[in-house]
Amino acid sequence: KNQVEQSPQSLIILEGKNCTLQCNYTVSPFSNLRWYKQDTGRGPVSLTIMTFSENTKSNGRYTATLDADTKQSSLHITASQLSDSASYICVVTFRETSGTYKYIFGTGTRLKVLA
Amino acid sequence: DGGITQSPKYLFRKEGQNVTLSCEQNLNHDAMYWYRQDPGQGLRLIYYSQIVNDFQKGDIAEGYSVSREKKESFPLTVTSAQKNPTAFYLCASSMVQGYNEQFFGPGTRLTVL
Repeated sequence: KNQVEQSPQSLIILEGKNCTLQCNYTVSPFSNLRWYKQDTGRGPVSLTIMTFSENTKSNGRYTATLDADTKQSSLHITASQLSDSASYICVVTFRETSGTYKYIFGTGTRLKVLA
Repeated sequence: DGGITQSPKYLFRKEGQNVTLSCEQNLNHDAMYWYRQDPGQGLRLIYYSQIVNDFQKGDIAEGYSVSREKKESFPLTVTSAQKNPTAFYLCASSMVQGYNEQFFGPGTRLTVL
């Protein structure tokens, strides 16, 4: 079954600290993986996209890694800020035999950054 | 929110009533989607449309209906047949279905009284 699992479910850190969020997937055949940031009561906003051949991609203080062999991805946040408080969602895209693409969403990690 | 608007932001409905959620995009995207988000669950696909006048059921289409008469618009109707409609509804669009990034609207929170 195609699944995306994220850990931890929630995380509390102090401002200025680093943290790493995990995403494990069983989706096949893999097309790409995205990390989204979702502020409370708002729509998700894309942070990074990674394809099969990419191992690391950065977007400011956000760095995503992908290990296609173990089907794991991580999102590392450096020098956290209060504005990083949000839910972070991992989304894996795969292509069905019919040619239709499907998105599989993880349940997200809720991050709280404290002053 | 990337050129996608949803209205209203908050919506209250009495049991037995149909309500329609609006979604408009000015990104010239062909594909549009409706998702439902409940606490502790990932986004679940209700309906999607790859082109005008065409749409497909997602994983939880029962009790919902859509139309795609214009490229820019993809309204969602929550019917009285939907047994548990209270949720946060998100509309998204992408250049084509599947590979390209999805841009999400700000969402509509529907509460059934």
